[in-house]
Amino acid sequence: NAGVTQTPKFQVLKTGQSMTLQCAQDMNHNSMYWYRQDPGMGLRLIYYSASEGTTDKGEVPNGYNVSRLNKREFSLRLESAAPSQTSVYFCASSTGSAYNEQFFGPGTRLTVL
Amino acid sequence: KQEVTQIPAALSVPEGENLVLNCSFTDSAIYNLQWFRQDPGKGLTSLLLIQSSQREQTSGRLNASLDKSSGRSTLYIAASQPGDSATYLCAVRPQRDSNYQLIWGAGTKLIIKP
Repeated sequence: NAGVTQTPKFQVLKTGQSMTLQCAQDMNHNSMYWYRQDPGMGLRLIYYSASEGTTDKGEVPNGYNVSRLNKREFSLRLESAAPSQTSVYFCASSTGSAYNEQFFGPGTRLTVL
Repeated sequence: KQEVTQIPAALSVPEGENLVLNCSFTDSAIYNLQWFRQDPGKGLTSLLLIQSSQREQTSGRLNASLDKSSGRSTLYIAASQPGDSATYLCAVRPQRDSNYQLIWGAGTKLIIKP
């Protein structure tokens, strides 16, 4: 039981390049989330998917797109990377109930030069 | 708008001490509050989840309390060990927000000196 997995672990991009961050969970969770973590700040929600087939914007969605490929997988795409997107990205999942905890992946450390 | 604050930002104590980490939030309308641990360069590990109807939760040497009316939670760590060194984050799930997100504090970096 791997929980929440993310690939890649590290990535360096040049400004303007694109890439997709992958996330998968094996806990049969309905809801999945993408957060970013910047130094000295709490995590901020980029996008979430309350259930398979739905996605919605979070607090900081600009410059990102997402795809809920199936119940297990939720990907985050940067179409044209900018230095301001240098951050650590975390994927999380939960059952979807407001009362249940979220489980997190190990993170992707992204640097945009 | 819900805001979560953790003070202090960093804390260094000798091994063996009991210690308390603080988390405060501005809106008492929450479903629950969750404490996490983050080791350097690693992901987040959930430590304790307290529902809004609960006063405290315990796991081993950890005890988390919740006072919803005053907007405060504490994480008590008994008999601290060097392995407890990490950043501790608290997050609340607000009732007034329909997108199921967690609102996070910036964390307290804890160093336990041998």
